[in-house]
Formats: sequence, C-alpha cells, structure tokens
Amino acid sequence: GESVGLHLPTLSVQEGDNSIINCAYSNSASDYFIWYKQESGKGPQFIIDIRSNMDKRQGQRVTVLLNKTVKHLSLQIAATQPGDSAVYFCAETVGDSSYKLIFGSGTRLLVRP
Amino acid sequence: GAVVSQHPSWVICKSGTSVKIECRSLDFQATTMFWYRQFPKQSLMLMATSNEGSKATYEQGVEKDKFLINHASLTLSTLTVTSAHPEDSSFYICSAEGLVSYEQYFGPGTRLTVT
Repeated sequence: GESVGLHLPTLSVQEGDNSIINCAYSNSASDYFIWYKQESGKGPQFIIDIRSNMDKRQGQRVTVLLNKTVKHLSLQIAATQPGDSAVYFCAETVGDSSYKLIFGSGTRLLVRP
Repeated sequence: GAVVSQHPSWVICKSGTSVKIECRSLDFQATTMFWYRQFPKQSLMLMATSNEGSKATYEQGVEKDKFLINHASLTLSTLTVTSAHPEDSSFYICSAEGLVSYEQYFGPGTRLTVT
C-alpha cells in the first residue's frame, strides 16, 4: 500500500539552531501534505501544510518544502526552542470526498539546552 | 475555535469487557470524524472514517465488529472496543473534519489499558 516515511527517527539539536526534519512519500497522486507535532500523551497538533501546486510555504519559524520530483517533504524550524521538543509527523491526504490522512513514521526532535 | 475533546482521557479495563470512547467537536459541526490508533513509539494508523448518520468505513484489517463506531450527531462520534484484550491496549485518537476541506482537528487522545 501507499506509505509515507521519514529518513531520521531521532534528531538532536542545540537550542537556537535550525532543525530540518525530512519525509519521503510514495503516493505521487497525493495533493496535500501536513506536518504535525505530537507531544507525549497528546494528540497531534497542526503545524503547517502545503498543497502539491506549491514547493514552499512559510509560517512562524517554520517552513515546509515540497519536492514532487523526488517525492520529498521537509520541515524546517528556525531557532529551535526547548518547547519544540516533540515527535513530528508528516501526513498526506488520500481520498475523494473525505480526506483520509496517512501518517509517516515520525521523527523525535530533542532540543539540547 | 475548532476544539475536539475525547472522553475519557484514560481508561483501564479488564479483559473481555467493552469500553466506549467519545469524541466531540465542541465548537463546530463535523459530518466526518476519523479514529486512529497509536501504539507506543509508532505512528498514527487510521482505523475508520465515521460519517454522521451512516455506517463507518473501516480500513483494511480493522474488525468492524470489534471496534463499533457510532456517529449519531454532528458533534459526537463514539468508538466502542468490544471484548477488549490486552493487545487492544493503545492510544486512541479521533479527529474531526472542519468546514474547510482538508482540515482535521485532533482530539487529545484516550489511553486504553486492558489488563
């Protein structure tokens, strides 16, 4: 079946540095991608999204890049803070009338003080 | 806005019993809700899509007779784990689809432990 996977299971960064979390997807028909942050024992929290007709989108301290040629998605977090420590998932939508999300395997981000 | 709640936040039950988990959209109506299961250190796996007023659509490999889903109103969907076994112990998360396509708002999750 279709899957969304991540390259790195754990990423450790120094506070203040930039973080880059990567994701590979396999469904070339997917047209919408989302990054979620999940803290321990909580539900996923929306961070940023991007549609397939774009290759870059910026939010507050976060940027998502989409490379459809190699089916690769990345999340960049600028000036990483301790509060950014969490597991990050990329997800893609597959669906017609309702948009089912397929989640990647997740990357744990650890921010060192 | 766009808050989704789940109740209970955690539950412990004995093997063989049934457990009901509620998912509510607090400030918006959701014709579609989704149920996910997440095992420790793993990703979210979609179990089923719940549509208000109709039968749920289950993902491949998910037993519909074991995981009963009811979406009786535009703000409430319930997941009942019937005859629970220890292997059903997991973190169950629901989401509700907002008025704008593609948006899903997630609940805080329910930790189920079956002893």
